[in-house]
Formats: sequence, structure tokens, C-alpha cells
Amino acid sequence: AQKVTQAQTEISVVEKEDVTLDCVYETRDTTYYLFWYKQPPSGELVFLIRRNSFDEQNEISGRYSWNFQKSTSSFNFTITASQVVDSAVYFCALRGNSGGSNYKLTFGKGTLLTVNP
Amino acid sequence: GAGVSQSPRYKVTKRGQDVALRCDPISGHVSLYWYRQALGQGPEFLTYFNYEAQQDKSGLPNDRFSAERPEGSISTLTIQRTEQRDSAMYRCASMGGYNEQFFGPGTRLTVL
Repeated sequence: AQKVTQAQTEISVVEKEDVTLDCVYETRDTTYYLFWYKQPPSGELVFLIRRNSFDEQNEISGRYSWNFQKSTSSFNFTITASQVVDSAVYFCALRGNSGGSNYKLTFGKGTLLTVNP
Repeated sequence: GAGVSQSPRYKVTKRGQDVALRCDPISGHVSLYWYRQALGQGPEFLTYFNYEAQQDKSGLPNDRFSAERPEGSISTLTIQRTEQRDSAMYRCASMGGYNEQFFGPGTRLTVL
């Protein structure tokens, strides 16, 4: 069975602070994909990143960075110098690569990030 | 269009009525997915299609829910005899060649 845990329900920071959103996953698949999505107050789900399980290289995109640690089954997301526009619910998701898990996404419950001016 | 579109964006209905939710995927995307998202939760898988074939409907809650994609493009999710517990955001996603699912804006269903 696939499982994604986002232990932080809500995080509140002041603008320009760095913030890290945690994601821990469980899967029996040897190959899998991890994702982060952003859900702003307007409600849409915006794709941010996909990471393959065989590629443990960390990634940076502007103020966003992702730390994939296979040894601890974690895929954490850091926003550097946060801005008010970063306020949203962030979801981590997992897609397996075998049997009944090789197409659907399993989402965590999300972390509500509030960035205050 | 450039992205996944869904209609209607909001639907309010009375208990017992049938509703049909539409999804228009990104052009050329073979796979189409339906998810349901309750308030304060992440989306949960309902069903998915490759072309016109429904590959898995194990996530549909009961037999009041059905989905189709007759020509391999637009899909319709139908809920018969709606109940208040069906109230949620219904999201559609389509997937291209890089295992990335792109979501539409969702349909917010409220059953009174």
C-alpha cells in the first residue's frame, strides 16, 4: 500500500523567512515517482515538481528546492525567502510503478502555509 | 485549450438529483483521471482512463458513481441520486508522457 504523510498541518512564517515542508512516504515499489503540488486560495492544483526514485539529486528552482532522501523515505520542500504569494496548501504525492499503484497518485493531507507580511 | 478544463465550476443540487461533471483534458493526453477532494484533505483517486477504456474504477465509492470517456477525449463523471456526503471538490487530471498529472480547476459540488 502507498502512503504519504505530511505531519505539519499548518505553518505560519513571516515574509523573507525560509520554510521547509516535510513529506514522508511509504511504498513497496522499487521504482516510484514523487510530486509536489500547490493549491493557492483560488483552489486549483498546480504541479511543481516530479522526482524519480532512481534520481536522488536534489533540485533547485529559483526560491524552491527539494531534498530527496531515499534512506529516510523523505521528500522535503524548502522555500527560501518566503513571500506572501507563497501562501497556499502544499501537497506531496506518490505514484508507484507496479500493480495497482502504477498510475494513480496518493496524496498526503497537505500543509497549509501562511506567509505574513 | 492549453490546460485541463472542467465544467461546471460550481454545482448546487438537491439530494436525490443526478449530476454530470465534465472534463476536457489537455489535447493529446492519453490518460485521464478523476479524483475527489474533501475539505481539508488531499485528493483521492476515483477512476482513470487510457483512451476510451476505463482501466480502474476501484476508487468509485459505490454504484451511484460512474464515468465514461466514449471518444477518448472528454470524460463525464455521473453521480446518481446524490447524497449530502457526495459534497466535495471533484478534480480531473490528464497525463502526458512524463508521468506528470495536470489538474483542472475542479467542480465544487454541494448537495443540499
